[in-house]
Amino acid sequence: DTEVTQTPKHLVMGMTNKKSLKCEQHMGHRAMYWYKQKAKKPPELMFVYSYEKLSINESVPSRFSPECPNSSLLNLHLHALQPEDSALYLCASSQARADTEAFFGQGTRLTVV
Amino acid sequence: QKEVEQNSGPLSVPEGAIASLNCTYSDRGSQSFFWYRQYSGKSPELIMFIYSNGDKEDGRFTAQLNKASQYVSLLIRDSQPSDSATYLCAVGGSQGNLIFGKGTKLSVKP
Repeated sequence: DTEVTQTPKHLVMGMTNKKSLKCEQHMGHRAMYWYKQKAKKPPELMFVYSYEKLSINESVPSRFSPECPNSSLLNLHLHALQPEDSALYLCASSQARADTEAFFGQGTRLTVV
Repeated sequence: QKEVEQNSGPLSVPEGAIASLNCTYSDRGSQSFFWYRQYSGKSPELIMFIYSNGDKEDGRFTAQLNKASQYVSLLIRDSQPSDSATYLCAVGGSQGNLIFGKGTKLSVKP
């Protein structure tokens, strides 16, 4: 089973809202990632969690706040987003490091209005 | 700045032909290489990975790696219209992340 599950699939939020994206995997992977992807661009790394600790933060604005409650779950808390934050948000996981195979969830299509 | 370069295409091949997708990378220390397929509006799907020099075959797909030339390729034999997608080359980075190329859009014409 190589499944990474993301919820919700679609989200529309106002600039003053607070929302959360959720990601779950049951493959025993110890590394989890958040990526942001704009149309016709490659995925852009936001955060890496390794063994439930934040190991990479690619200078992401503080209106995005990641959380890793346990080894199977990864959340992304959203607050005061801007319309330019509208994108496909992808969660991925891999065994321990990204130099092993990483599997993506189906993504959350976020629209900020 | 570590980079992964791909021809953006579009690459157009007739049904049944071999599609050849190429990728070069700048970090000579890279050890892991991946090909993802992404249909429009969907998430990337891992289709091949390769860690050693040479060829690796899986069904209609063959990944080729040449570390001396810092070059990795993906061959798709007997291309089908369902193979039409964007193919992303990714390289494992030293910080525990994936470095993606910009992707090559493949179109297989019936």
